[in-house]
Amino acid sequence: NAGVMQNPRHLVRRRGQEARLRCSPMKGHSHVYWYRQLPEEGLKFMVYLQKENIIDESGMPKERFSAEFPKEGPSILRIQQVVRGDSAAYFCASSPQWLDGGIQYFGAGTRLSVL
Amino acid sequence: AQTVTQSQPEMSVQEAETVTLSCTYDTSENNYYLFWYKQPPSRQMILVIRQEAYKQQNATENRFSVNFQKAAKSFSLKISDSQLGDTAMYFCASTTGNQFYFGTGTSLTVIP
Repeated sequence: NAGVMQNPRHLVRRRGQEARLRCSPMKGHSHVYWYRQLPEEGLKFMVYLQKENIIDESGMPKERFSAEFPKEGPSILRIQQVVRGDSAAYFCASSPQWLDGGIQYFGAGTRLSVL
Repeated sequence: AQTVTQSQPEMSVQEAETVTLSCTYDTSENNYYLFWYKQPPSRQMILVIRQEAYKQQNATENRFSVNFQKAAKSFSLKISDSQLGDTAMYFCASTTGNQFYFGTGTSLTVIP
């Protein structure tokens, strides 16, 4: 059973461009979570999604950031008009159901660098 | 909201020795879970150990064990017989379901 797959591993964008980060959850998992890790910090929650629904987006910046988890295909975190402050590692996690022992399984992350 | 505090930014330990990483948390919930995750240079987040708040018995996983003090809201990680492969960032985290709350991490170096 493959783990949580994130791609790309590294993404370089110039200021003003769009960044699209993809996450394929573990097989059988229908819950996806996105986190952001700034340098020298812990992971910070951004958004929690189930198939076709956003359940909790309390950690998402109000502008430029959006996330989706369509019925088919991976979850996408989209950042429009990137700025240098968006440079960070973005992690995706998945779980088979809500509060399944509390365990979330993490991908290896996407490191976004904004030039 | 929950908060998780790790007050030791960096620690080191001699190979084969024992080290304890500290973590305190704050929550108003009764039902929650606590975790330690390891993040090696590859950046992959690896689950080390999990504790259910309603269980009084401390969790153990091979060389890793926790000291869970619910009243004090303390959740420390003990690594016995430290190995070079234990060198990594260690994050303490708590959750009640929707999201994890992470501490700022402790960078552990195992010295040969």
